[in-house]
Amino acid sequence: ETGVTQSPTHLIKTRGQQVTLRCSSQSGHNTVSWYQQALGQGPQFIFQYYREEENGRGNFPPRFSGLQFPNYSSELNVNALELDDSALYLCASSRDTRWYGYTFGSGTRLTVV
Amino acid sequence: AQSVTQLDSQVPVFEEAPVELRCNYSSSVSVYLFWYVQYPNQGLQLLLKYLSGSTLVESINGFEAEFNKSQTSFHLRKPSVHISDTAEYFCAVSHSGGGADGLTFGKGTHLIIQP
Repeated sequence: ETGVTQSPTHLIKTRGQQVTLRCSSQSGHNTVSWYQQALGQGPQFIFQYYREEENGRGNFPPRFSGLQFPNYSSELNVNALELDDSALYLCASSRDTRWYGYTFGSGTRLTVV
Repeated sequence: AQSVTQLDSQVPVFEEAPVELRCNYSSSVSVYLFWYVQYPNQGLQLLLKYLSGSTLVESINGFEAEFNKSQTSFHLRKPSVHISDTAEYFCAVSHSGGGADGLTFGKGTHLIIQP
């Protein structure tokens, strides 16, 4: 079975711009969660999508938004980028909403300059 | 609210020596506990988890962790480490049975194996 794939692997954006990160979930998984991992920190939960709806969100502002598509792939969109948004963004998929079945992707490294 | 404290940011240890990576959590309700490993330029891989039952859980590559409710700890141990164990290790906690509130991670411990 294929794992979780994320694209792009690296990205450089300018402050104030918008960015879209993409995630293809593992085969058979219908739930996608996104995490932000700043340098030297543990991952922080952004939100989770299940059946194309957001069903949980961490402490992130509304400029962080997402989508899930019928094939269970997902996008993370960040508007009005700030320097502090520089981080590794991790996508994790699972068979249902239970996170103890998470499979993580390798992440997208976003640098905001 | 829940939180996770990993007391050591770095742990250097010689190859074939034992190691313990410490993790303490705070939560007012029952918890589910996890250890993840992250190799350079990769995502997170689940090492082991405690959901219920036996307080001692083991992974397939020789790591084990013990859930201690009274001390609110979930320390990770390995009796003999190898160079290939060099990585970042994250402890994580959640109090719910579902993923809608995500996992709360500690800041990580960098395990450095010295030959």
